[in-house]
Amino acid sequence: GQQVMQIPQYQHVQEGEDFTTYCNSSTTLSNIQWYKQRPGGHPVFLIQLVKSGEVKKQKRLTFQFGEAKKNSSLHITATQTTDVGTYFCAPGGSARQLTFGSGTQLTVLP
Amino acid sequence: DAGVIQSPRHEVTEMGQEVTLRCKPISGHNSLFWYRQTMMRGLELLIYFNNNVPIDDSGMPEDRFSAKMPNASFSTLKIQPSEPRDSAVYFCASSFGQGKSGYTFGSGTRLTVV
Repeated sequence: GQQVMQIPQYQHVQEGEDFTTYCNSSTTLSNIQWYKQRPGGHPVFLIQLVKSGEVKKQKRLTFQFGEAKKNSSLHITATQTTDVGTYFCAPGGSARQLTFGSGTQLTVLP
Repeated sequence: DAGVIQSPRHEVTEMGQEVTLRCKPISGHNSLFWYRQTMMRGLELLIYFNNNVPIDDSGMPEDRFSAKMPNASFSTLKIQPSEPRDSAVYFCASSFGQGKSGYTFGSGTRLTVV
């Protein structure tokens, strides 16, 4: 699998504020997946991005894949307490196995 | 589908004992992955199978760890002998094909070695 750097490691926001996590690679990625893990839970697949410059939305979540396919971001608009958890990016390559980033732990303060 | 099923959910064992973790992947998925999660090291891929054949076990920590997939619906991860540093949450995940629809993770086994 390919290595990525995910930032920030932790983020505390007030409910209603926006949140963004970034995933950066030194090499070109063929695709990237995003997962969410609730506290005490297991990772749950959110989305896969494949095309350069791709933008996908899921309700308040917006996922972007950079033009050079070396970075990606997840943006949450108007966070809610249900958004609490750790968000992982997982770059895909020629191999089937995924290597997960270190994750961004999001805390939403009511 | 019931999803990926792992057992047991929790395991507490004494150092030196053998531990066996079990996983039933989603029916029809042809790839199976074992991950370990700790605070210090995050989510680490231990081994993955494709069509029941081990493809990459480079993430297996050492010879004390072994994994098998005797058929498409069952896999085990064995640790013998177990050590306190093996304490972690072990996840099994499965996917179909290249995994374009993502991996489906089981609920995990929380292993504590005392």
